[in-house]
Amino acid sequence: NAGVTQTPKFQVLKTGQSMTLQCAQDMNHNSMYWYRQDPGMGLRLIYYSASEGTTDKGEVPNGYNVSRLNKREFSLRLESAAPSQTSVYFCASSGQLSGLLGNTIYFGEGSWLTVV
Amino acid sequence: KNQVEQSPQSLIILEGKNCTLQCNYTVSPFSNLRWYKQDTGRGPVSLTIMTFSENTKSNGRYTATLDADTKQSSLHITASQLSDSASYICVVSVGRGANNLFFGTGTRLTVIP
Repeated sequence: NAGVTQTPKFQVLKTGQSMTLQCAQDMNHNSMYWYRQDPGMGLRLIYYSASEGTTDKGEVPNGYNVSRLNKREFSLRLESAAPSQTSVYFCASSGQLSGLLGNTIYFGEGSWLTVV
Repeated sequence: KNQVEQSPQSLIILEGKNCTLQCNYTVSPFSNLRWYKQDTGRGPVSLTIMTFSENTKSNGRYTATLDADTKQSSLHITASQLSDSASYICVVSVGRGANNLFFGTGTRLTVIP
C-alpha cells in the first residue's frame, strides 16, 4: 500500500519557469490537499479538493493552480515560478474533510522545490 | 486570532529518558487536536487524534493529553529511543471543512545516545 505518492522529490527551477507537482493516493480517499512548509512556519494550505470534481483555495493560493484529474490524482502547477515559492510541498489525502471527527490526514513524502 | 503555539522549539534528551512537549491553542470552535511526527526529509505521520471529550490517548510510548478548558495539550514520550528524533507537530481543527486546520511550528526533538 503506497499511500500518498508525490513527484518529483527534488526540483530546481529558474524564475519564470513552470512546472507541475504530481500526487496520487491509493486509499480511495475523497479529499486531497496541497500544503507548503517553510522554516519557522506551520504547514499552510495552498489548495484542496473536497471531492472529485471540486477544488477550492486555501490560505496561500496565489501563484498556484490545481487539477483534480480523478479521484486518485491531484496536481499542483506553478505557472511562473518565483523565488518566494521555494519551499517543501506536501500532498495529503483524507477519507472526508479534515475537520470531521476521527478523520486522519495522510501526507506524502514531500517535494523540495528551489526557485533561483 | 486562531493560533497554535508549541514549546519548546527544540529539545535534546538522552536515550531512555522521558520528555513532554507542549501545545497551547487559541482556536475556536475546537473540533479536535492531533499530534504528528515528522522525520527529517519525510512527511508528517499521525500519532494521535483527540476530541474535546477525551483527556488522554496513548499510542505505544506516546501519550497525549488534552485540557479543553485551558486549551492545552501535551505529548509525553516515555523511554525515548534514537528513532524518536523528529519534529512533533500539534494540529488543531476548527469545526468542519478542509480549510480549518491550524498547524503549530513543531518541536524539534533530538535523542542522543
